[in-house]
Amino acid sequence: GAVVSQHPSWVICKSGTSVKIECRSLDFQATTMFWYRQFPKQSLMLMATSNEGSKATYEQGVEKDKFLINHASLTLSTLTVTSAHPEDSSFYICSAPPVGGAGQYFGPGTRLTVT
Amino acid sequence: AQKVTQAQTEISVVEKEDVTLDCVYETRDTTYYLFWYKQPPSGELVFLIRRNSFDEQNEISGRYSWNFQKSTSSFNFTITASQVVDSAVYFCALTLMDTGRRALTFGSGTRLQVQP
Repeated sequence: GAVVSQHPSWVICKSGTSVKIECRSLDFQATTMFWYRQFPKQSLMLMATSNEGSKATYEQGVEKDKFLINHASLTLSTLTVTSAHPEDSSFYICSAPPVGGAGQYFGPGTRLTVT
Repeated sequence: AQKVTQAQTEISVVEKEDVTLDCVYETRDTTYYLFWYKQPPSGELVFLIRRNSFDEQNEISGRYSWNFQKSTSSFNFTITASQVVDSAVYFCALTLMDTGRRALTFGSGTRLQVQP
């Protein structure tokens, strides 16, 4: 079946550096992908909607200049956390809707730790 | 805006007990989908079920069953004869059928611990 992958699965970086997370749809095309963030023992919160060929749409309270999203192809969306700080440490999960279907295919998530 | 409420933060049961996880949702739309996901310690979400707003039939899958009641805006999940492997965080979620807004709105999750 359809699969969404994420890379890396975990990353540790120093405060002030930038980190890029990739989300790929492996056997289907996704004009839209979603990025969620999950802090420890909390729920998944939608950060932004990634749109192929156009600007991402950010949820209220999410800094678009800090969380850069690029959806350059129909199978790849990237999330770059710029100038990361310890409070950005979280579990980042991407998803893509199935073609003509309901719901989402979720990636396995990326655990980011900023020291 | 949509809202999903899972009032039970954490539930602890002993193996073989039955357990019900509650989910209440709010939406002004009449067409929507409801979901349940399991999140084990690895973090990867495991899809359990999808139900559309037109179909109020209850569903059973092995030890799992779901009770959807539009009258009370609830979509509860029951695990029969729980097992240690059922220990995880369970999320209820909702999305509208409107294809322009397909992201999921998640509840806060219920952490289930099944003791041996």
